[in-house]
Amino acid sequence: DQQVKQNSPSLSVQEGRISILNCDYTNSMFDYFLWYKKYPAEGPTFLISISSIKDKNEDGRFTVFLNKSAKHLSLHIVPSQPGDSAVYFCAASEGANAGKSTFGDGTTLTVKP
Amino acid sequence: GAVVSQHPSWVICKSGTSVKIECRSLDFQATTMFWYRQFPKQSLMLMATSNEGSKATYEQGVEKDKFLINHASLTLSTLTVTSAHPEDSSFYICSARVGGDATFFGPGTRLTVL
Repeated sequence: DQQVKQNSPSLSVQEGRISILNCDYTNSMFDYFLWYKKYPAEGPTFLISISSIKDKNEDGRFTVFLNKSAKHLSLHIVPSQPGDSAVYFCAASEGANAGKSTFGDGTTLTVKP
Repeated sequence: GAVVSQHPSWVICKSGTSVKIECRSLDFQATTMFWYRQFPKQSLMLMATSNEGSKATYEQGVEKDKFLINHASLTLSTLTVTSAHPEDSSFYICSARVGGDATFFGPGTRLTVL
């Protein structure tokens, strides 16, 4: 049973527009969520996180929204830039132990110039 | 942010041989390091949690005798894939925790077993 799901394997958006990446989870014990960006043949890079006591966290062009009742979170990138093209992983953990996280399968974002 | 390195970045070996992968935290001390593997187009799967000076904690389904983890110092953890077989071919990534919840990932090691 996959506890963290990213149902869209890929997403393509135009430069300057908004990118919305979605993530669903099933484990109600998860209370800390992270988004990572990953380029091919590289390790993931931390982007932004949110704890379950919040429903929104913003950092520059990146905003993460958390809907606990729906067990759903999303990452918004505004405005999208070609350099944002990468694989984005959603991850969840129990407590702020980000290392011991459960990852989704990733969504490949392509931002077209 | 903090830097985590892995060596080698890419290794090809023959079936039956053992391969050691190093994970180093370059500018900080990491009491805890984590090892993941990633199959193509799949998510990162946590293999084990490595604590300095103690035995690693393996996730369910990960063979501890096959994937030997040693965390001998606060800046180095090693993963040894023993008697590697083609099905062990994967991308292995380590991460290191810097207190609290800050975790930094290494660049990964591509293992190909012929």
